[in-house]
Amino acid sequence: AQSVTQPDIHITVSEGASLELRCNYSYGATPYLFWYVQSPGQGLQLLLKYFSGDTLVQGIKGFEAEFKRSQSSFNLRKPSVHWSDAAEYFCAVALMEYGNKLVFGAGTILRVKS
Amino acid sequence: GAVVSQHPSRVICKSGTSVKIECRSLDFQATTMFWYRQFPKQSLMLMATSNEGSKATYEQGVEKDKFLINHASLTLSTLTVTSAHPEDSSFYICSAILAGVGETQYFGPGTRLLVL
Repeated sequence: AQSVTQPDIHITVSEGASLELRCNYSYGATPYLFWYVQSPGQGLQLLLKYFSGDTLVQGIKGFEAEFKRSQSSFNLRKPSVHWSDAAEYFCAVALMEYGNKLVFGAGTILRVKS
Repeated sequence: GAVVSQHPSRVICKSGTSVKIECRSLDFQATTMFWYRQFPKQSLMLMATSNEGSKATYEQGVEKDKFLINHASLTLSTLTVTSAHPEDSSFYICSAILAGVGETQYFGPGTRLLVL
């Protein structure tokens, strides 16, 4: 069955430090992959997506993610974290054969310390 | 572009009453909308897929008669929680797919439902 794993429930980084949030997926076909961010009590905002082509994807707010087929991973990175990046981050894979349904990971809560 | 709104943003109701939540795509036509439910400190769980002009497709374990979905136009889908009970209290989020693009879901801000 299709699944998305975010192994880190919580991550704390210092402001200005680099960040990497891990995401692994299990999916038989070529995946469409997404990273969304959610602030408390809010909906989800799309950070970036991967469909095909260049495996390093640039997103909004200075985020990027790299698709590694051999590792079934799509890790999110940011070189320098800002306090406003504190939020919950969700990785998701789209099931194209099921009408683009999204399967979400459990989420990673990012805390930024000053 | 690709803005999705939800109304209301939060609602409190008595047990046994019904609550309607609207999801609108403001600047695009959405052939497909999705309804999710999110419990505190958990991820989003897909409840149903709503296609304009046809019946919604519900995920396993979601009661069709309890969570009525109507997708009357390319910009509006509604979720009605019928005979709500405290266990229905949750955060409900909708999303919409841009017609003709198909791959990316744009999410609404969510509706917080509290059933007393």
